[in-house]
Amino acid sequence: QVQLVESGGGVVQPGGSLRLSCAASGFTFINYVIHWVRQAPGKGPEWVAVTSPDETIKFYADSVKGRFTISRDNSKNTLFLQMNSLREEDTALYYCARDPVAARPDYFDFWGQGTLVTVSS
Amino acid sequence: DIVMTQTPLSLSVTPGQPASISCKSSQSLLRSDGKTYLYWYLQKPGQSPQLLIHEVSSRFSGVPDRFSGSGSGTDFTLKISRVEADDVGVYFCMQGIDVPFTFGGGTKVEIK
Repeated sequence: QVQLVESGGGVVQPGGSLRLSCAASGFTFINYVIHWVRQAPGKGPEWVAVTSPDETIKFYADSVKGRFTISRDNSKNTLFLQMNSLREEDTALYYCARDPVAARPDYFDFWGQGTLVTVSS
Repeated sequence: DIVMTQTPLSLSVTPGQPASISCKSSQSLLRSDGKTYLYWYLQKPGQSPQLLIHEVSSRFSGVPDRFSGSGSGTDFTLKISRVEADDVGVYFCMQGIDVPFTFGGGTKVEIK
């Protein structure tokens, strides 16, 4: 079955960096667009970033553009999110989510359980 | 960015009774390919969101047929024909026609 397992979250000071990972299994990773979505405590989900299977197409939310970088290692079935210049408003549970449409970002059919990022001094 | 507006904020429903949630988008979600990029998710307490409905009215695999979606253009509705205890949680609509994908504010459904 489809599994997405996030890791790498933790507590970091404002201005700091973190690198999140998402290990995928149960499907052919290289065939799928994959997203990062976050959810601040008590709030609704917020889309963060997306990458195409070959990384030629990447999009970012304005709130993270220039600070976050999405990437993937298809040989290891793993998605990454490098987060720099972190702000308190980046505090959230970060999910990776699979997109069932290969050609373009479309929607999410499976989500991981999330990894918690807390930005606090 | 496309703004998604959901109503009501919360619903308290007697088991076996119907429930309805409205979602309106600030611009049409109908694309030139003929598809309408509107999705419904349910986030049960303590869990990740799970897909219920894709492209307005198509139930995702394993979703009970008591869930149905309808609408077009900018106005959409999710209906639960007979609410069960397992349906509690927060329901979100989402548009996928353009990045950034955006979500409605959520509707919390609880059982009376």
